Amino acid sequence: EAGVTQFPSHSVIEKGQTVTLRCDPISGHDNLYWYRRVMGKEIKFLLHFVKESKQDESGMPNNRFLAERTGGTYSTLKVQPAELEDSGVYFCASSRRQGLYGYTFGSGTRLTVV
Amino acid sequence: TQLLEQSPQFLSIQEGENLTVYCNSSSVFSSLQWYRQEPGEGPVLLVTVVTGGEVKKLKRLTFQFGDARKDSSLHITAAQPGDTGLYLCAGGRSGGGADGLTFGKGTHLIIQP
Repeated sequence: EAGVTQFPSHSVIEKGQTVTLRCDPISGHDNLYWYRRVMGKEIKFLLHFVKESKQDESGMPNNRFLAERTGGTYSTLKVQPAELEDSGVYFCASSRRQGLYGYTFGSGTRLTVV
Repeated sequence: TQLLEQSPQFLSIQEGENLTVYCNSSSVFSSLQWYRQEPGEGPVLLVTVVTGGEVKKLKRLTFQFGDARKDSSLHITAAQPGDTGLYLCAGGRSGGGADGLTFGKGTHLIIQP
């Protein structure tokens, strides 16, 4: 099966601009997760979709971040307006089952805000 | 806030040696997962342990979940250069509405030929 695909792989934008990251999960995986790793820190949870519904968005940093998963397939994560501290690697992951089981991660999008 | 402390942060050893990486927390987790990450790639799941005291083996890698489900270890026997990479532990919780994994910062492992 095809893996989790993220686009773009890299993005460099100026402070104040908008960026949209996309994630295509493995087909049939209802659970989709977004994570972020800021330089020097651990990977941190952002939010979790079950199909098109947000199950848990407790990790979203602030209201400049908007995640959507229309139709329960691919997901987008928009940052508007971007700030310097938003720089990092954004990972998407998907799983067939929720809860204790491991995920399949994408290769990530490296976002640099200058 | 649940924290997972991994140690050591960096480890460089010679091929053929044994090593152990530790993952500790003051909190109880429902599961503990170990991932390996290569540069430019996402983490790849190695194993999930869910029962206190559980031991799982994956070829030369042995994973153990602590009896109290607060800690875990990864032991590699006769390390090979191909084992080089970033090893991450991640704890999961069931129920309570918090679905995300809590990750440690990782152990950078280098196996020198």
